[in-house]
Amino acid sequence: GAGVSQSPRYKVTKRGQDVALRCDPISGHVSLYWYRQALGQGPEFLTYFNYEAQQDKSGLPNDRFSAERPEGSISTLTIQRTEQRDSAMYRCASSHSGGGPGGELFFGEGSRLTVL
Amino acid sequence: GQSLEQPSEVTAVEGAIVQINCTYQTSGFYGLSWYQQHDGGAPTFLSYNGLDGLEETGRFSSFLSRSDSYGYLLLQELQMKDSASYFCAVNSGGYQKVTFGTGTKLQVIP
Repeated sequence: GAGVSQSPRYKVTKRGQDVALRCDPISGHVSLYWYRQALGQGPEFLTYFNYEAQQDKSGLPNDRFSAERPEGSISTLTIQRTEQRDSAMYRCASSHSGGGPGGELFFGEGSRLTVL
Repeated sequence: GQSLEQPSEVTAVEGAIVQINCTYQTSGFYGLSWYQQHDGGAPTFLSYNGLDGLEETGRFSSFLSRSDSYGYLLLQELQMKDSASYFCAVNSGGYQKVTFGTGTKLQVIP
């Protein structure tokens, strides 16, 4: 596609439910990142992939959070047993060659999660 | 881990010049990026510095001093549309891990 696409754009769920957030990166982009952004704060690193390999998941807050990118393209961030503190904007970004030299990150519009 | 520090807010007059500083602490540092984010929008890339010195892109310039673990974003000829949040971000851990600072909210006033 022309840009990074995320769905759903808005998700309201009840505490204890599982949610799955989807990211469709720019075609051909090798690297895919997940961030969480609270209002007025910077994007908080969660995890990133090169192709289908999860290179770093050190930012995932706890074991309720997981991510996959099975075919090296679309990725899913799953939050199990959601809690109110999980409410935030979840942003996906992709990059042709990682965030390094010349490898700017292209962000999607985000998925805003609200846990009641 | 990584830590980045930026001023939380800056106000400047239209047409003026403003500098937004960023200091960082990280292991395996590769480079410093800058991103702009308007309210309600997604972050967009502005610049990247992998080596010491100044990079210029139109009205925006970015500087890096690796020895001082310091960088800045310089915005010239400020326009009202430059009102936004600006984030520095470090590339580390094999250059692909990108960690963002807390951001500087720039308000441009007439």
